Amino acid sequence: DGGITQSPKYLFRKEGQNVTLSCEQNLNHDAMYWYRQDPGQGLRLIYYSQIVNDFQKGDIAEGYSVSREKKESFPLTVTSAQKNPTAFYLCASSPNGRGQGSYEQYFGPGTRLTVT
Amino acid sequence: KNEVEQSPQNLTAQEGEFITINCSYSVGISALHWLQQHPGGGIVSLFMLSSGKKKHGRLIATINIQEKHSSLHITASHPRDSAVYICASIPLETSGSRLTFGEGTQLTVNP
Repeated sequence: DGGITQSPKYLFRKEGQNVTLSCEQNLNHDAMYWYRQDPGQGLRLIYYSQIVNDFQKGDIAEGYSVSREKKESFPLTVTSAQKNPTAFYLCASSPNGRGQGSYEQYFGPGTRLTVT
Repeated sequence: KNEVEQSPQNLTAQEGEFITINCSYSVGISALHWLQQHPGGGIVSLFMLSSGKKKHGRLIATINIQEKHSSLHITASHPRDSAVYICASIPLETSGSRLTFGEGTQLTVNP
């Protein structure tokens, strides 16, 4: 089955600790994205990567870091510098290139992070 | 800056009713998505469109590029349609398929 997996579904951490969220896709997509969702707010883009070994900051990148060493993997680290890390985190991927197919975006099931 | 606005924010309907959720955006776009998010949090893409109209089962999505407006219609609504519906656009000037999201519409369909 092709798709995007995120693990774990629920994650609990103590304040001050870094935590890494996993995102893996077997869709052979070039582009991958990390979004954050807070209650009552729209999703906001944290980081995105259009190709292996390259990534760009989104709208709310402060306190987060990413890597893209493999096409299928795009892990997100929530650092202790992130002031309000408790949120729902969604990973997504899309084909790159031209044409309507490149605009399709597929979402993972999400990870709910709680920091206390 | 592209802004995406949805209305209404909350919608309660009786089973069987026809439902419309509206989305307006402020800049030219390459495409627009309608997404569905269930209480567990996972998001499913319902439609992606850049012109005209698309239909899938009881769901219909339309877009008017000139007016920068899209609508999602649900015919013969059912309690299982209860979810958050999210509109997201891909502005023309962005790279790749970066999405700009509306805040979502919480739909509750009562039996």
